[in-house]
Amino acid sequence: DAGITQSPRHKVTETGTPVTLRCHQTENHRYMYWYRQDPGHGLRLIHYSYGVKDTDKGEVSDGYSVSRSKTEDFLLTLESATSSQTSVYFCAISGQSTYEQYFGPGTRLTVT
Amino acid sequence: DQQVKQNSPSLSVQEGRISILNCDYTNSMFDYFLWYKKYPAEGPTFLISISSIKDKNEDGRFTVFLNKSAKHLSLHIVPSQPGDSAVYFCAASFNTDKLIFGTGTRLQVFP
Repeated sequence: DAGITQSPRHKVTETGTPVTLRCHQTENHRYMYWYRQDPGHGLRLIHYSYGVKDTDKGEVSDGYSVSRSKTEDFLLTLESATSSQTSVYFCAISGQSTYEQYFGPGTRLTVT
Repeated sequence: DQQVKQNSPSLSVQEGRISILNCDYTNSMFDYFLWYKKYPAEGPTFLISISSIKDKNEDGRFTVFLNKSAKHLSLHIVPSQPGDSAVYFCAASFNTDKLIFGTGTRLQVFP
């Protein structure tokens, strides 16, 4: 299994509070991704990174920001959580010039 | 606009029989296709892939077929086993940095 961890694994927070999710990899892969999974929508890309300090928006980036100051860590921040951001969040990694992505175990976030 | 579609949200198959999961796409620029399997409370795991220059790729009990003219791919599982019960996502890409996923098909294999 690819060395990917996510923290926290579960979180309940209130509307309007900031939340940061962390993805950590030990594979030294260049690319890192954040997805959310919702019923009826599959996996949707929020943001991705193609190197340290290099990030770009995905399909559903509104309300989210990311940072990558080290190769191994990719942070996803919800500046002011809303109930529509209740979801399961997955981090993924991939190497350069490869299509396959490898996923972490996920973080279940509930915004009340 | 959904570029990758899995029109069957669920499929139920008897153990030992063939499972066929389908996926349609709209973007003719896609050049690589993948299938992922997901168990509850776990992250998706990569299962099998196919390049657009091929029409078939096989790995043990799993075979992926690609029909470019119809913009259709399918995953065949033979024989199906109870441990195959999971949600299956197809995904497509036209470069190596992003994947577009379908909405998933829940496969149940019963004895």
